Order: sequence, then structure tokens, then C-alpha cells
Amino acid sequence: AQSVTQLDSHVSVSEGTPVLLRCNYSSSYSPSLFWYVQHPNKGLQLLLKYTSAATLVKGINGFEAEFKKSETSFHLTKPSAHMSDAAEYFCVVTFTGGGNKLTFGTGTQLKVEL
Amino acid sequence: GAGVSQSPSNKVTEKGKDVELRCDPISGHTALYWYRQSLGQGLEFLIYFQGNSAPDKSGLPSDRFSAERTGGSVSTLTIQRTQQEDSAVYLCASSLRTGGVNTEAFFGQGTRLTVV
Repeated sequence: AQSVTQLDSHVSVSEGTPVLLRCNYSSSYSPSLFWYVQHPNKGLQLLLKYTSAATLVKGINGFEAEFKKSETSFHLTKPSAHMSDAAEYFCVVTFTGGGNKLTFGTGTQLKVEL
Repeated sequence: GAGVSQSPSNKVTEKGKDVELRCDPISGHTALYWYRQSLGQGLEFLIYFQGNSAPDKSGLPSDRFSAERTGGSVSTLTIQRTQQEDSAVYLCASSLRTGGVNTEAFFGQGTRLTVV
């Protein structure tokens, strides 16, 4: 069975400081991992994806994530937060073999303060 | 089409009525998912279609919920005898399967269902 855990339900940072949103996964197979963002009253948008190529993945809006197999992690980072980054972020896992179903984490609400 | 299309965008229904929610996935996408998102909650998996395989219905919360996908394209989610706890945003997504792996999912804007 596959699962994904987002360790923080809420993260608050000051504008201009680094962002770290944590994600750990459990999968018996090689995973594909994604981060999605959902701004208030908006749809879900793909930020970045890992599909067994480079372990450091760059996405939109300056976000990046590093796949660490030994730690079963896929944490999302950004060097400098912007007010427009305030949103909910979802870590998602799927895997080859088996159902290929997308499994969502419970989400992390990012708040950016002046 | 250019993206995943869901209709209606908003639906208000009386408790006990049946509702149908429609999803038009991106053309050529073999995988289709239904999720729901209640206020302030994460995404709850409902059902997953992959090509001609039997759908994964493990997330349907009760036998009042059903879904079908006709011709491998359009999907309809039906909720019978709606209850107030069914109020949520119902999201549909589709993805392409390449080399045995589903690529990223593209989401529709959702149907906001309100049961009064």
C-alpha cells in the first residue's frame, strides 16, 4: 500500500525567508511524486513532479523539491517566500505497478507574513 | 478539449434528491479520478478509472455514491438521496498513462455541491 504524510498542517514564514514543506511517503514500488498548490477558491495546479529522473526537481515560481530515497522524503523548498505563495500545498504519490492511483497528503497551509 | 471540464460549477439541491456531476477529461487521457474536498479539509479519494480496467471504487463513502465512465471518456458521478454531509467540492482529474505510469493529473475547477 502507498501513503503520503505531510508533517505540518500549517507553516508560517516571513516574506523573504526560506520555505520548507515536508513530505514523506511510503510505497512498495518506485514512486512518482508531485506537489500541487491550491490558492484560495482556485483549482489545483501542478508545482513540480519527480518521475525517476533527476532527484532535484525544479518547479514553477521558484519552488524545488529533492527526492531522497533513503529518507523516503520529497520536501518542498523555496529560498525566499513571497506573499503570493500563501496557499495550500499537497504532496501526492503514485507508483508503477499496482493501481497507479494518486494518493494525496492532507495538505499544508502556508501563511506568509510581512 | 484544452482542459478538464466539470459541470455544473455549482449545484444546490434539497436533501433526499439525486444529483449527477459530469466530468469531461482531457482527450486521450486514460486515467480519470474523482475526489471531494470538504471545507477546510484535504482531498478525499472517491473513485479511479484506468482505461478498460475495473474501476477502483474503494473511496466511495456509501452505496449512495456511484460513478461510470462511458466510452473511456466522459464520467458521471451520481449521488442518490443526498445528505447534508455530502456538501463539498467534487473534483475530477485526468492523466495520461505512459510506459505504465500515470503522469501528472490535471484537475477541473470542481463542482460545488450544497445540500440544503
